[in-house]
Amino acid sequence: DARVTQTPRHKVTEMGQEVTMRCQPILGHNTVFWYRQTMMQGLELLAYFRNRAPLDDSGMPKDRFSAEMPDATLATLKIQPSEPRDSAVYFCASGFPGGEAFFGQGTRLTVV
Amino acid sequence: DQQVKQNSPSLSVQEGRISILNCDYTNSMFDYFLWYKKYPAEGPTFLISISSIKDKNEDGRFTVFLNKSAKHLSLHIVPSQPGDSAVYFCAASSTSGTYKYIFGTGTRLKVLA
Repeated sequence: DARVTQTPRHKVTEMGQEVTMRCQPILGHNTVFWYRQTMMQGLELLAYFRNRAPLDDSGMPKDRFSAEMPDATLATLKIQPSEPRDSAVYFCASGFPGGEAFFGQGTRLTVV
Repeated sequence: DQQVKQNSPSLSVQEGRISILNCDYTNSMFDYFLWYKKYPAEGPTFLISISSIKDKNEDGRFTVFLNKSAKHLSLHIVPSQPGDSAVYFCAASSTSGTYKYIFGTGTRLKVLA
């Protein structure tokens, strides 16, 4: 049963701390997305990779967020330093161009 | 700048009736559209898609209609069932670009038994 796996599922951290979220895309998928769900913006695209290369990270606050794909089985999203306004659910999704994206269950981040 | 808009945050429908969810987009380069359904504490799951070469696509109880001139698409669910209660997101992409998916803000559908 192929699925996108995200860890951790929940994270509570103090303001100023570093947060790392991890994603294992479905094996063979060459496209990986990071989205953030907020009430006001819906599903907001943060970053987008094709064959591990970043294609678009214009949705990310550059000063504190970074996204990488160290290898084809791992994508990471880091926030340093974290702020209360970063509290949201972060989703990773994978797929192929022209097909649907498959989403993970998300990481619920709370920054206090 | 919200390129994909879902102007109705919520919708309530009686079981057995039709649910119509609407979505508008502003970018004329978008030519591939998708609908996703999301239950609480789960990730969005793909429901149905449509390419701009079509104006309608059906899959069981779900039909998506696309009006390119109006830059509008809608999702029809007939008949609606209580299990359809969820948040529905529409998404759009450009197949001549990077295929990134831009999502709307979602519509919460409640189907009343």
